[in-house]
Amino acid sequence: QSVLAQPPSVSGAPGQRVTISCSGGSSNIGAGYDVHWYQQLPGTAPKLLIYANNNRPSGVPDRFSGSKSGTSASLAITGLQAEDEADYYCQSYDSSLGASYVFGTGTKVTVL
Amino acid sequence: QQQLQESGPGLVKPLETLSLKCAVSGGSLSSDSYFWGWIRQPPGKGLEWIGSISYHGSAYYSPSLKSRVSISVDTSKSHFSLQLSSVTAADTAVYFCVRHAGFTMIVLDDNWFDPWGQGILVTVSS
Repeated sequence: QSVLAQPPSVSGAPGQRVTISCSGGSSNIGAGYDVHWYQQLPGTAPKLLIYANNNRPSGVPDRFSGSKSGTSASLAITGLQAEDEADYYCQSYDSSLGASYVFGTGTKVTVL
Repeated sequence: QQQLQESGPGLVKPLETLSLKCAVSGGSLSSDSYFWGWIRQPPGKGLEWIGSISYHGSAYYSPSLKSRVSISVDTSKSHFSLQLSSVTAADTAVYFCVRHAGFTMIVLDDNWFDPWGQGILVTVSS
């Protein structure tokens, strides 16, 4: 029951820039809650990519950046590389219906 | 760098209770800086938060699963556990244990999940 909407897929050629949107509402992103992003390579566990909207954990390349505005957030990947082909999920907190952490529907990034 | 490792049966019969354990290594589970949680992912689908617990044993659960979930912690053995009762085929998923953190841990609404265990596939079938 994902409450954060993401495009099912995005694609780009190596070296290009792609963006992934994460659309929420007034009880989650629009309420001011932070957005975090995860990368899930095929057959592996998700890995934290961006925390608190625009912060990169140690070891994450600066090709990855996050932003948030209103009821939406975005993840940008610049200088797309073959190793970036993966599923990407946004995550936030939702204060409705008992409150819980919520994830986006997920976006598959394909490197052409 | 802390590491998490799930363990438990990979096959559970319908209406029985799913029980999983998460072993924490490379650092103490007894920290006020973190909570410990469970997240699942049905095959080919997205992620769903199940619930979380502090080392003190203060637990909170997803509203949609609350009536069937129990999470406990054993600091002496450095692990925490998940129990999900009355399972059906819809509970078939890869179950991940996670550590979550935030800037203060006084309120938990800014928390993110890092690191994740490798995950364990649990199939509900007779």
